[in-house]
Amino acid sequence: GENVEQHPSTLSVQEGDSAVIKCTYSDSASNYFPWYKQELGKRPQLIIDIRSNVGEKKDQRIAVTLNKTAKHFSLHITETQPEDSAVYFCAADTDKLIFGTGTRLQVFP
Amino acid sequence: EAGVAQSPRYKIIEKRQSVAFWCNPISGHATLYWYQQILGQGPKLLIQFQNNGVVDDSQLPKDRFSAERLKGVDSTLKIQPAKLEDSAVYLCASSLVAGNTEAFFGQGTRLTVV
Repeated sequence: GENVEQHPSTLSVQEGDSAVIKCTYSDSASNYFPWYKQELGKRPQLIIDIRSNVGEKKDQRIAVTLNKTAKHFSLHITETQPEDSAVYFCAADTDKLIFGTGTRLQVFP
Repeated sequence: EAGVAQSPRYKIIEKRQSVAFWCNPISGHATLYWYQQILGQGPKLLIQFQNNGVVDDSQLPKDRFSAERLKGVDSTLKIQPAKLEDSAVYLCASSLVAGNTEAFFGQGTRLTVV
């Protein structure tokens, strides 16, 4: 079955710097790759997603890239702000939605 | 639009007791997921329904966990008997269809087994 690996597990950046989180997946049939943000004690919420027919997608300060050949995808956050501090999860979807292990991002003012 | 509803929000039980969680997905969503999220880990898929049929339950410990989605709407997840290692947040999510669409999560049920 699908396996999703996510790195790093923790990431600390200074406010204004960029943050990059990387994920790899195992099932080449995966065709949908969402990213979720989970604040402490809250539910995961979608922040951006990408489909297999697209290589890159951008939404303001957030971008996601997908390399289907290498089976990896990445989340890029530019101009980080303290409110970006949270746990971020990548996921891969064939006919079931499998999550990575999460990255705890801390943005220091 | 109403979100995914879950109850209870919190539950504390002793080991070997039984417990049930309830989920009401977003209206019209055919796909329903149950995830187990242990503190500090990513959500682990326990079971996925498409309408009232099971798509995947390969990670569901079937000797103690059971789930049903009668009439393809609400769902219940049961644990009987509970073990200490079942302490986690149980998240329900739903999406319009399986694959290629956003999954919306409920607030979760935090289970503590003592």
